[in-house]
Amino acid sequence: AQSVTQPDIHITVSEGASLELRCNYSYGATPYLFWYVQSPGQGLQLLLKYFSGDTLVQGIKGFEAEFKRSQSSFNLRKPSVHWSDAAEYFCAVGAEGYSTLTFGKGTMLLVSP
Amino acid sequence: NAGVMQNPRHLVRRRGQEARLRCSPMKGHSHVYWYRQLPEEGLKFMVYLQKENIIDESGMPKERFSAEFPKEGPSILRIQQVVRGDSAAYFCASSPKAVGDTQYFGPGTRLTVL
Repeated sequence: AQSVTQPDIHITVSEGASLELRCNYSYGATPYLFWYVQSPGQGLQLLLKYFSGDTLVQGIKGFEAEFKRSQSSFNLRKPSVHWSDAAEYFCAVGAEGYSTLTFGKGTMLLVSP
Repeated sequence: NAGVMQNPRHLVRRRGQEARLRCSPMKGHSHVYWYRQLPEEGLKFMVYLQKENIIDESGMPKERFSAEFPKEGPSILRIQQVVRGDSAAYFCASSPKAVGDTQYFGPGTRLTVL
């Protein structure tokens, strides 16, 4: 069975600074990987996904993520954080041919002035 | 194209009552998934349905919980005789096809059991 670890429960970043949120997965084959963002009291919005091909994936709102098979990681990055990026971020993995997703526990991003 | 719709957005029930949560998938999507989010936890898969069929209910508690996705109308997650531990956010997602396709999430129903 697959699993996802997001090692950081909270991260605080200054507005305008760069951001990297960590995600490690455990799965024996090629995973399908996702990052979702959840604003307070809201549902999940898909930021980006990796299915195959180029290991650097571009998403919405200026986010990108890089799939590194050797490190079993799929870290999310943004070069310059905006105050509106403050939210909770979830990494998720689906097995090949998946029909369900396994989520990490999330990382809460706080943006300081 | 409207997104995944869920209602109600907030639901308050007393212990022992029934809770019914509704989910209308995106247009053209015939696959529905229910997830539960407990406080300070990630989402946990509960059940996966296609029209008139339950495909995978491995994440659903064996008692008091049931789900359906009828030929017409929304998918329903039903919780009978609710207990305080059922308090959580329940999210529905839909996808056009099941295998390896992106799931799009609704805004969730936040259930509070008094």
